[in-house]
Parts: sequence; C-alpha cells; structure tokens
Amino acid sequence: EAGVAQSPRYKIIEKRQSVAFWCNPISGHATLYWYQQILGQGPKLLIQFQNNGVVDDSQLPKDRFSAERLKGVDSTLKIQPAKLEDSAVYLCASSLTGNEGEKLFFGSGTQLSVL
Amino acid sequence: QKEVEQNSGPLSVPEGAIASLNCTYSDRGSQSFFWYRQYSGKSPELIMFIYSNGDKEDGRFTAQLNKASQYVSLLIRDSQPSDSATYLCAVQPGGSYIPTFGRGTSLIVHP
Repeated sequence: EAGVAQSPRYKIIEKRQSVAFWCNPISGHATLYWYQQILGQGPKLLIQFQNNGVVDDSQLPKDRFSAERLKGVDSTLKIQPAKLEDSAVYLCASSLTGNEGEKLFFGSGTQLSVL
Repeated sequence: QKEVEQNSGPLSVPEGAIASLNCTYSDRGSQSFFWYRQYSGKSPELIMFIYSNGDKEDGRFTAQLNKASQYVSLLIRDSQPSDSATYLCAVQPGGSYIPTFGRGTSLIVHP
C-alpha cells in the first residue's frame, strides 16, 4: 500500500516570497490534515479536510496561508508571503474516515526554511 | 484551547531499563489517546492507541490511561538504543475527532 506522498522534501525561500506544498493521501482516505511542526514542538493542526470540504481551519493564518483539496484527493498548501516564523516542517496526514480512534498516516513532510 | 502537556525531556535511561513517559490533557471529555514515535528528521508513526481506563499492552509497550486524573502514560520495558526518539502524545478532544498533539518527550536510551 502506497503511503502519503509529499513534495518537495526541502524548500528554502526568502521572506516575502511564496511557496506551495503538495500532498497525495493514501488512496481511499477521506480525511486529510495539514500540520505545522516547529523545531522542538509537537505538530499543530493548520487545516483538516473531509473529502473536498474544510472541517477545521481555525488555526490557519488566513491572511497568508491557503489550502485546497480539489476533487477530494490531493491537496496543496500555499504560503504567501512567507515570514521567518513560518520556518517549520509541514506534515500532511490522512485517515480513512476521520472518525474517533482512527490512526493518522503521515507523509515524510516538507522542511521549509525562510531566510 | 485544549491542551496536551508533556515534559520535553530529554529522558535518559540505560539499556534494558523501563522508560516512563507521561502526558496530561485538559479536556475531560476526551475519549481517544495515542502515542506516536518520531525519529529525528522523520514523520510520526503510531505505536499505541488506548480509549479505556487501565492498561493496554503491546509487546514491550504499555499504555496506561486514567481519565479521572486526565493522565496517560507510556511504559517501554527493556529499553533499546533503537527506542531513542521523541514520543508524542495525541488526544482526540470530546466533540472533535481532530487529534491535538503535545510537544513530545525526547527519550535517549544509552548502552
């Protein structure tokens, strides 16, 4: 079974530039999550999708971050313009239905450095 | 804001010892609790899931849950150097199925 695919693996940009991350969840998984993990901290949820609808984006900085999941499969997370404090690993995860007690499957993450 | 608290460590134990990792949570209505292991530079992977009060054992790992005290722990018996990693506690708050993660505890098992 193929896992959660993410790209790119690493990205270095200057502040005020824009960047986009891509995620393809496990086939058949309805729920997709984007987490931000700053060095030394636990993952923090940015947005959760159920199929192609947003379930929770309360912690997404909407003035600079946007995300979409067209057709309920793969997803793109964008940052525009980037700030120094956006330097982090961006983790995409998926689960089968998003119900209680379900395991999350994580991708390998995208490490973003903003200079 | 629903909180999940963990001591960041590092927790250092000798090979063969029992490692005890602890986690507290603020939402009394939480129902599901997870332990993920994250090696340096890698993504988290699930190692234990528990939802009932008491102990749940899987090989060298035991998860313990006490909902009255809002406390969940992970015991690793016969610790091995390969267990050295960060252990993330995750909680599904009541009314939401979105896992909230703690900051993780770094475990170092030295030979």
